[in-house]
Amino acid sequence: DVKVTQSSRYLVKRTGEKVFLECVQDMDHENMFWYRQDPGLGLRLIYFSYDVKMKEKGDIPEGYSVSREKKERFSLILESASTNQTSMYLCASIQDRVRGGLFFGEGSRLTVL
Amino acid sequence: AQKVTQAQTEISVVEKEDVTLDCVYETRDTTYYLFWYKQPPSGELVFLIRRNSFDEQNEISGRYSWNFQKSTSSFNFTITASQVVDSAVYFCALSGRNTGGFKTIFGAGTRLFVKA
Repeated sequence: DVKVTQSSRYLVKRTGEKVFLECVQDMDHENMFWYRQDPGLGLRLIYFSYDVKMKEKGDIPEGYSVSREKKERFSLILESASTNQTSMYLCASIQDRVRGGLFFGEGSRLTVL
Repeated sequence: AQKVTQAQTEISVVEKEDVTLDCVYETRDTTYYLFWYKQPPSGELVFLIRRNSFDEQNEISGRYSWNFQKSTSSFNFTITASQVVDSAVYFCALSGRNTGGFKTIFGAGTRLFVKA
């Protein structure tokens, strides 16, 4: 069964901590994405990657960075967490980004105190 | 501008009622794709359907049907004889060259409550 797996479903961190959110896909997809989901705002794209070691900023990249050292793994990093980064984070992958139809992980709900 | 609008924030229906979720989009592209996703309470978004801009044929899959009308820039989703398991947040989405190289942009979502 094909799958996108996010390492943590729930995290609680303190302001200023460094936070790593891990995402692994087993479908050999080229393209991977990180979105954040907030009520009333839908999903907003933070970063995406079309290939290993390649990354591009999405619509709201400030305060975030990413790492893609291997094709199957795409990590989202909050260098210094802030309370306004409390959110649901969703990882997705797809082979054909033109035709679309994203595969999503279960999400990581992050609370920053 | 590239934009997806889901004007209905929440809808509540009683089981077996039909319900339509509205989606209106804006795009400069001539080639684009439209999608619907379902997010049940468990949290994982599930891809339901993709439509390309050249195919305005309506689609039916069981109790689900989709109505794509380019003239009104709408891609509406109807659930017939709703069931409690249909309770979820539904997202309409758009991708095209002008969304930033075929990135997917999402509407704000419509939360559907189906009561037994």
